[in-house]
Amino acid sequence: SAVISQKPSRDICQRGTSLTIQCQVDSQVTMMFWYRQQPGQSLTLIATANQGSEATYESGFVIDKFPISRPNLTFSTLTVSNLSPEDSSIYLCSVEDRRYNEQFFGPGTRLTVL
Amino acid sequence: AQKVTQAQTEISVVEKEDVTLDCVYETRDTTYYLFWYKQPPSGELVFLIRRNSFDEQNEISGRYSWNFQKSTSSFNFTITASQVVDSAVYFCALNYGGSQGNLIFGKGTKLSVKP
Repeated sequence: SAVISQKPSRDICQRGTSLTIQCQVDSQVTMMFWYRQQPGQSLTLIATANQGSEATYESGFVIDKFPISRPNLTFSTLTVSNLSPEDSSIYLCSVEDRRYNEQFFGPGTRLTVL
Repeated sequence: AQKVTQAQTEISVVEKEDVTLDCVYETRDTTYYLFWYKQPPSGELVFLIRRNSFDEQNEISGRYSWNFQKSTSSFNFTITASQVVDSAVYFCALNYGGSQGNLIFGKGTKLSVKP
């Protein structure tokens, strides 16, 4: 199965700053996905990142707040900008592994905003 | 619009009991995928199964089994002879928008297995 790593695993940030989260996959994938899991809640899709094109954002999420980069087929970053306490969540990247018909998630980045 | 409902918020069982987690979905897509994930207290999301809408065969994997019924739009998950290590939050999910990776998740069912 695909191996996904995320950096950092957790961080504590001050209000008004930004955090960039990295997602690295051990194989080339066409599409990468970013999800948010707010405390005690389910997961919500933020955006889909394809290599070579602009990310596609879901309703309620905007590029200014969550800029995404996808420079190659194994890597993506999600930035959470102008942080507020409401951004405290776990952020997860996800990829489809077509070799095994599975949809995998990274270990997540736990963000706390003070 | 797509929707996934996990009506059971929390379930508590004693070890070795069988337990079924319910999942009901809504979609207008004719082709879709359903998923189950496990999220133990450590927080990682563990893939359990993906089911294509054209494949209604039930699936068994060890103590886990899944019952997919399109007629009732349900994709239920049964754990046989539960163990303490099964304690986790279980999420059912449905893809949308034609992409397998665009998932809408249910709210999850927290399963506690007591020794």
